[in-house]
Amino acid sequence: QKEVEQNSGPLSVPEGAIASLNCTYSDRGSQSFFWYRQYSGKSPELIMFIYSNGDKEDGRFTAQLNKASQYVSLLIRDSQPSDSATYLCAVNRDAGNMLTFGGGTRLMVKP
Amino acid sequence: EAGVTQFPSHSVIEKGQTVTLRCDPISGHDNLYWYRRVMGKEIKFLLHFVKESKQDESGMPNNRFLAERTGGTYSTLKVQPAELEDSGVYFCASSQDWSTDTQYFGPGTRLTVL
Repeated sequence: QKEVEQNSGPLSVPEGAIASLNCTYSDRGSQSFFWYRQYSGKSPELIMFIYSNGDKEDGRFTAQLNKASQYVSLLIRDSQPSDSATYLCAVNRDAGNMLTFGGGTRLMVKP
Repeated sequence: EAGVTQFPSHSVIEKGQTVTLRCDPISGHDNLYWYRRVMGKEIKFLLHFVKESKQDESGMPNNRFLAERTGGTYSTLKVQPAELEDSGVYFCASSQDWSTDTQYFGPGTRLTVL
């Protein structure tokens, strides 16, 4: 079992729709959860981080965390073609420590 | 503020040769991390510096890999001798201090070993 699992996709949504990206993790000691966006050939760019159970909203993005179910998700509202990228879920146990990544989900937003 | 920079962006070498990758973290960031993504796999941690000290090198695959961060500024990752399975994209990331989780990534160095 991988430590952090994501559906590789591609996940295809029409422009303006809500994109829902999911991630599960195996280490119950995980404390911090991150979503990175990576365009092809570019560096991973941090979009959101979440530490506590529940929802955290930032603009069109909402991160959801359920530690009991070991599940974290990212919702993108009003999806735009420019959101088309690979979304990486990452977790760590303690502040400052290494990140453990999932394989990423490729999102395609079609005009 | 300049982001994390890496050099070179691409490197093509033959098996058995040596390659040195460089990472310049964001100015003032004490923590520096190296990660690697090989074809078809997820990004994997290699090691973590706090200033000039190796905090965690549990992800280093073998003794062909040597990382240094003299003076606690930029870091180098040397692969000697390179093998075919070392091909991939090597990312560097930095964060400010222990209380800050946010790691900022560089653009990566794509290494191809022929």
